[in-house]
Amino acid sequence: SAVISQKPSRDICQRGTSLTIQCQVDSQVTMMFWYRQQPGQSLTLIATANQGSEATYESGFVIDKFPISRPNLTFSTLTVSNMSPEDSSIYLCSVEDPHTSINEKLFFGSGTQLSVL
Amino acid sequence: GQQVMQIPQYQHVQEGEDFTTYCNSSTTLSNIQWYKQRPGGHPVFLIQLVKSGEVKKQKRLTFQFGEAKKNSSLHITATQTTDVGTYFCAGLAAGGTSYGKLTFGQGTILTVHP
Repeated sequence: SAVISQKPSRDICQRGTSLTIQCQVDSQVTMMFWYRQQPGQSLTLIATANQGSEATYESGFVIDKFPISRPNLTFSTLTVSNMSPEDSSIYLCSVEDPHTSINEKLFFGSGTQLSVL
Repeated sequence: GQQVMQIPQYQHVQEGEDFTTYCNSSTTLSNIQWYKQRPGGHPVFLIQLVKSGEVKKQKRLTFQFGEAKKNSSLHITATQTTDVGTYFCAGLAAGGTSYGKLTFGQGTILTVHP
């Protein structure tokens, strides 16, 4: 298994500001993933973060709004920029299990519950 | 793009009753996974199904993967209050090469009344 530390666990932010979410993994992993889970909704992939290259964003998500850093194989950050109330959501980082042959088995961080006023 | 539909959205049961959630994909899947998210928690991996017609059991949970690899189900026998949470299916499209490109269903929120 993989242990993922994600912080902050929650935050309340003002409109127009930015928040950076950090994700630390206890094992080296090739890819880290950032998901958004809006209230009562499913999980939507925002982007995939590879070490040493730009993140790959899914349709509907852009780098200017959700810049991502991946400085090494155990750490990543997601910034939610110029926030609006529509950004209120839970943001989750995840990684594939580095110790199993089950492809795409994901471990999730505990999530960041963001509220934008 | 690929869509994964999951029903029902909500299910309320009395403790001891059975529960089933169904997942249907618009495209053939390479594999399907199931996750459980407890209230206030994060999704936790339960199982992965890969083979056509596969059936796997975990104690009171039975997972099935359809013959056409486009649908799946999770059945819980004799629910307990500890089963409360949201159950998500997540499918990887056949031929997909991108890691992490799981498409999640909308989830089924299960409440169990003691």
